[in-house]
Amino acid sequence: DAKTTQPPSMDCAEGRAANLPCNHSTISGNEYVYWYRQIHSQGPQYIIHGLKNNETNEMASLIITEDRKSSTLILPHATLRDTAVYYCIVRLSHANTGNQFYFGTGTSLTVIP
Amino acid sequence: SAVISQKPSRDICQRGTSLTIQCQVDSQVTMMFWYRQQPGQSLTLIATANQGSEATYESGFVIDKFPISRPNLTFSTLTVSNMSPEDSSIYLCSVVAMDSGYTFGSGTRLTVV
Repeated sequence: DAKTTQPPSMDCAEGRAANLPCNHSTISGNEYVYWYRQIHSQGPQYIIHGLKNNETNEMASLIITEDRKSSTLILPHATLRDTAVYYCIVRLSHANTGNQFYFGTGTSLTVIP
Repeated sequence: SAVISQKPSRDICQRGTSLTIQCQVDSQVTMMFWYRQQPGQSLTLIATANQGSEATYESGFVIDKFPISRPNLTFSTLTVSNMSPEDSSIYLCSVVAMDSGYTFGSGTRLTVV
């Protein structure tokens, strides 16, 4: 069952930061927050994940609140190619425990020229 | 990360027939999963493909309709049986590798007429 809540859609001007929120108020202490995105007609693509601390990689930054009940994905300089559906997922991180991803409805981000 | 080859990429099938979708991975992976994405919807987990044993199905999905094989650590098939137009969806394979997390295939776009 999906354990996250996201706004259904957002717009962002090209070149500006896109801030995508996610609520996960029932997250447990050993569950990670993952972000994936799906560009039209493609399979989901991994973006970033984190447990407690804020994380940054070449694609994005992930800000997790201190109580871990919500997080924000930040695309620092959105481009038209970032137009996609963004999924926030919470799950255990261990690869061999069989804990599958359960997708919520995601946020459809449209980057506007 | 693991590279997934999913075949066919798309197909148009007659109702009442069956289609087998293949998922080939370029390295041994711990877990393999099958998802369905109906038009305009998010991803729904169908089942976990277990190597050498019967697949584990999610609620609402049954083996008679979606038989799954996983003969080794790099290959799995999903069959959509006795198809109806309601089975028109994108079917995606996902894998977990010990050193690279979750990766998704590009999907199989199925249209049943």
